[in-house]
Amino acid sequence: DVKVTQSSRYLVKRTGEKVFLECVQDMDHENMFWYRQDPGLGLRLIYFSYDVKMKEKGDIPEGYSVSREKKERFSLILESASTNQTSMYLCASSSTGTRSAYEQYFGPGTRLTVT
Amino acid sequence: AQSVTQLGSHVSVSEGALVLLRCNYSSSVPPYLFWYVQYPNQGLQLLLKYTTGATLVKGINGFEAEFKKSETSFHLTKPSAHMSDAAEYFCAVRTGGGNKLTFGTGTQLKVEL
Repeated sequence: DVKVTQSSRYLVKRTGEKVFLECVQDMDHENMFWYRQDPGLGLRLIYFSYDVKMKEKGDIPEGYSVSREKKERFSLILESASTNQTSMYLCASSSTGTRSAYEQYFGPGTRLTVT
Repeated sequence: AQSVTQLGSHVSVSEGALVLLRCNYSSSVPPYLFWYVQYPNQGLQLLLKYTTGATLVKGINGFEAEFKKSETSFHLTKPSAHMSDAAEYFCAVRTGGGNKLTFGTGTQLKVEL
């Protein structure tokens, strides 16, 4: 089974802090994604990566950056956390292979609170 | 551009009753469609998907969905609801390149005794 793990389930940070959210997948997937989930808004894509050191902005990249130095690891960085970044953050991965194209596997999520 | 509309942010059914969660999509390319389920404080889990071929797709936990191109719909059904089905359900459609998906806003399913 594909396993996607996220470094923390719950995180509380102060406004202005630099925050790192880590995601690791164990299935050698090429693609990795970061979403934020807010009530009534569903999942919104922040950034995605289709290869090591490659990244593309999603729908809401402002205030975030990412890093992918190794294939299995994708980090989301909040350079200076703000209260409007309080949210659930979900990491996902997928293979480019035809049989499972577009099928994303999700981690358990990190609930971030910025005070 | 691709988009997904889920009708009804909250649906309540009695245990044993039919579950019907609605999803309509818009896509400029042949759609790949997905249903995911999210239990409280967990990530999303794939229920089922449609890519090509048979339009009635069966998934896990007794759920199924039918792709209807003429209606641009991909509604999720289950003949008999169980208490353990209470969760949030998301419909998604593939979005251009990069293996991306666009998700709907979700439907919270409540199952009552």
